[in-house]
Amino acid sequence: AQSVAQPEDQVNVAEGNPLTVKCTYSVSGNPYLFWYVQYPNRGLQFLLKYITGDNLVKGSYGFEAEFNKSQTSFHLKKPSALVSDSALYFCAVRDAGAGSYQLTFGKGTKLSVIP
Amino acid sequence: DGGITQSPKYLFRKEGQNVTLSCEQNLNHDAMYWYRQDPGQGLRLIYYSQIVNDFQKGDIAEGYSVSREKKESFPLTVTSAQKNPTAFYLCASSTQLFGSGYTIYFGEGSWLTVV
Repeated sequence: AQSVAQPEDQVNVAEGNPLTVKCTYSVSGNPYLFWYVQYPNRGLQFLLKYITGDNLVKGSYGFEAEFNKSQTSFHLKKPSALVSDSALYFCAVRDAGAGSYQLTFGKGTKLSVIP
Repeated sequence: DGGITQSPKYLFRKEGQNVTLSCEQNLNHDAMYWYRQDPGQGLRLIYYSQIVNDFQKGDIAEGYSVSREKKESFPLTVTSAQKNPTAFYLCASSTQLFGSGYTIYFGEGSWLTVV
């Protein structure tokens, strides 16, 4: 079975400071990992994904994420937070080796960037 | 512009009524999905479809029905058998259901409220 955990319900960060939103996963094979962002009353927007290759993945709006196989983590990062980054962030995983079609989503982390 | 269009944005349902949420995509994607989002619970898969005239139940299909008569359309009906239908519903699509690292793209969502 595949699962994903976002250990923090909320993250607060000051504008201009670096931000990190944490994600850990569990799969039996190799993972495909995704980050999405959701603004209030909107759908999810795709930010970035890890399939294979370089452990550091760069995505939209200056976000990046680092895949760490030994720690089974895929934390989302940004060097300098903007107030407009305030939103709900979802991590998702799919087990590449299990023939699974489903993406399993975390419960989301609310990011608040304080001016 | 290419994308996924959901309508209506807000819908109110009386007890005992069936309601249908529309989802149209012009991305030429084969696979389509319906998710339900409740606060603090992440996204849960209701139904998915790999090709026209084929669809499968997801994790919480009870009380819902779908059809896939055209590649670009995947409407969801919330029946009176769904006892707790108040939620945010998200339609999504991807190029294919199986395969390596496909990305799921989402519509803007529809709010359904029981009155």
